[in-house]
Amino acid sequence: NAGVTQTPKFQVLKTGQSMTLQCAQDMNHNSMYWYRQDPGMGLRLIYYSASEGTTDKGEVPNGYNVSRLNKREFSLRLESAAPSQTSVYFCASRIQGYYGYTFGSGTRLTVV
Amino acid sequence: AQRVTQPEKLLSVFKGAPVELKCNYSYSGSPELFWYVQYSRQRLQLLLRHISRESIKGFTADLNKGETSFHLKKPFAQEEDSAMYYCALLPNAGGTSYGKLTFGQGTILTVHP
Repeated sequence: NAGVTQTPKFQVLKTGQSMTLQCAQDMNHNSMYWYRQDPGMGLRLIYYSASEGTTDKGEVPNGYNVSRLNKREFSLRLESAAPSQTSVYFCASRIQGYYGYTFGSGTRLTVV
Repeated sequence: AQRVTQPEKLLSVFKGAPVELKCNYSYSGSPELFWYVQYSRQRLQLLLRHISRESIKGFTADLNKGETSFHLKKPFAQEEDSAMYYCALLPNAGGTSYGKLTFGQGTILTVHP
């Protein structure tokens, strides 16, 4: 049972490049989330998907887009990367009716 | 909007000493509070939640609604407790918030031998 799997684990981008962070869960969870983790800022919600077919903005959505491809997968896309998007990105999932999140291992992204 | 504040970015104690990680929150309703822990190079994991009133790895946390606090305590710290700790709030437990956790800024705990 893999839980929440994120790929890639590390990535270096040049300013202006695009990329997609992948997240997949195999626990049949309804809700999925993307957070970014920055020193002194904690984890901030970028986007979330309450259920398959729905997505909503979180606290810091600017510069990002998401796709809930199916119940298992929730991807985060950076269309034109900026240095301010250098961060560690965490995907998480949760089953309806239960408050515990399961987190992925994170993607460390550096934009130069 | 809800807010979670962890006033200490860094906290250092010696092994065997008591430790308290502070967490204060602001929210107009009845929140559910959590502590998450992230050990070095590992993913975040749930440490405990206030509603279950449990003790995990010797840690306890009591929700004080009057002071809007949810401090994490352990009477005797161990070196393996060294980690990043996040306090988190879930608004309207059981309501329509879709489980959007709001995290504090995090506290890095270092337990020295």
